[in-house]
Amino acid sequence: KQEVTQIPAALSVPEGENLVLNCSFTDSAIYNLQWFRQDPGKGLTSLLLIQSSQREQTSGRLNASLDKSSGRSTLYIAASQPGDSATYLCAVVPSGTYKYIFGTGTRLKVLA
Amino acid sequence: NAGVTQTPKFRILKIGQSMTLQCTQDMNHNYMYWYRQDPGMGLKLIYYSVGAGITDKGEVPNGYNVSRSTTEDFPLRLELAAPSQTSVYFCASASAPDRSKQYFGPGTRLTVL
Repeated sequence: KQEVTQIPAALSVPEGENLVLNCSFTDSAIYNLQWFRQDPGKGLTSLLLIQSSQREQTSGRLNASLDKSSGRSTLYIAASQPGDSATYLCAVVPSGTYKYIFGTGTRLKVLA
Repeated sequence: NAGVTQTPKFRILKIGQSMTLQCTQDMNHNYMYWYRQDPGMGLKLIYYSVGAGITDKGEVPNGYNVSRSTTEDFPLRLELAAPSQTSVYFCASASAPDRSKQYFGPGTRLTVL
């Protein structure tokens, strides 16, 4: 059974720092992996989607990598800003399905 | 283009009451999903649908029912509300060509007392 874990559960950093959020999954047979942002009381916003054949995706200050063989993905946020404060969720789509399996999220707070 | 809309935004139920959470998408997506998110947790799949008239169970279907009579609508029914169903409920949809990319609604916050 696919399980997705995110470490750390919470993180506080001063503004301007570069930071890394981690996501690990137990079964490497995935169709893709996606990182989401969730603001308090809001729905999910897709940040980056990495197909199983890809190693990384970039969007602005965000870079996500994928290492299927080790069951890991990282989300790198460069030059963090207070507006980056949110919960970040990763989710995998196991091969042969179209169902997301979500991690429990990392709650990020960037201090001004 | 409204995307995925959910109603109501908030609701308080008494134990044993029933209610229907509404979800509508205007993107002509075949795939639709219901998730619940408990405090401090990720999302868990309740039910999903691959098209009108076709539904299937996800990870946590007990206590819920769904129907899909049209492409646009995917209501979630709670028949006998229990405190364990206190959660935030999210609806999502995806297109057939790119079903791995789901679009989420804003959520319904449900409290059962």
